[in-house]
Amino acid sequence: QLQLQESGPGLVKPSETLSLTCTVSGGSVSSSSYFWGWIRQPPGNGLEWIGSIFYSGTTYYNPSLESRVTISIDMSKSQFSLKLSSVTAADAAVYYCGRHVSRLIGSALDSWGQGILVTVSS
Amino acid sequence: AIRMTQSPSSFSASAGDRVNITCRASQTVGTYVAWYQQKPGRAPKLLIYAASILQSGVPSRFSGSGSGTDFTLTISCLQSEDFATYYCQQYYDYLPFTFGPGTKVDLK
Repeated sequence: QLQLQESGPGLVKPSETLSLTCTVSGGSVSSSSYFWGWIRQPPGNGLEWIGSIFYSGTTYYNPSLESRVTISIDMSKSQFSLKLSSVTAADAAVYYCGRHVSRLIGSALDSWGQGILVTVSS
Repeated sequence: AIRMTQSPSSFSASAGDRVNITCRASQTVGTYVAWYQQKPGRAPKLLIYAASILQSGVPSRFSGSGSGTDFTLTISCLQSEDFATYYCQQYYDYLPFTFGPGTKVDLK
């Protein structure tokens, strides 16, 4: 059974870089069948797509975050990662990793990690 | 970006009720719409994709319809475990994907 697990610091200082990793088990990020993505949800608010990556390294980012976001993939560890630079209080959220239902970027997400709460504070 | 709106934003219902939640896109998205259910403290769960295709393992009381700009999620007979927040998402334009603001269904 596919499982995704987010990990990383739960507290990041303003202006620093948020770094999170999603570890995939019961499946493989090296599969050519799926995109993998990051989504966030500020406390009490709705969902925002951050970006997605294919095993080949092809990435798509939300234009509103693109200047600060890098998503990468490590097939040897079955992980993909998110880096968000120059964070502010507006970046505080629960961050989810997920799997798209297909190898098409235009697809829904059918598997999600449990989420990790990231707080931005000095 | 394509804006997704949902109505109502919240409502109360009783177990056994038939429930409709509406989602509207600011421009046509074909049938590139998904519906998710989220319970407090949990990740979203995919219910419907391609506007009307039921995700594997999702009860048949959930159904989706619509195309173009107007979409509906229907729960035919509300169960206690269905009290949650529901989000629509368009993936017609993936730069960026966008979600609706959510519809919270709680117990009357």
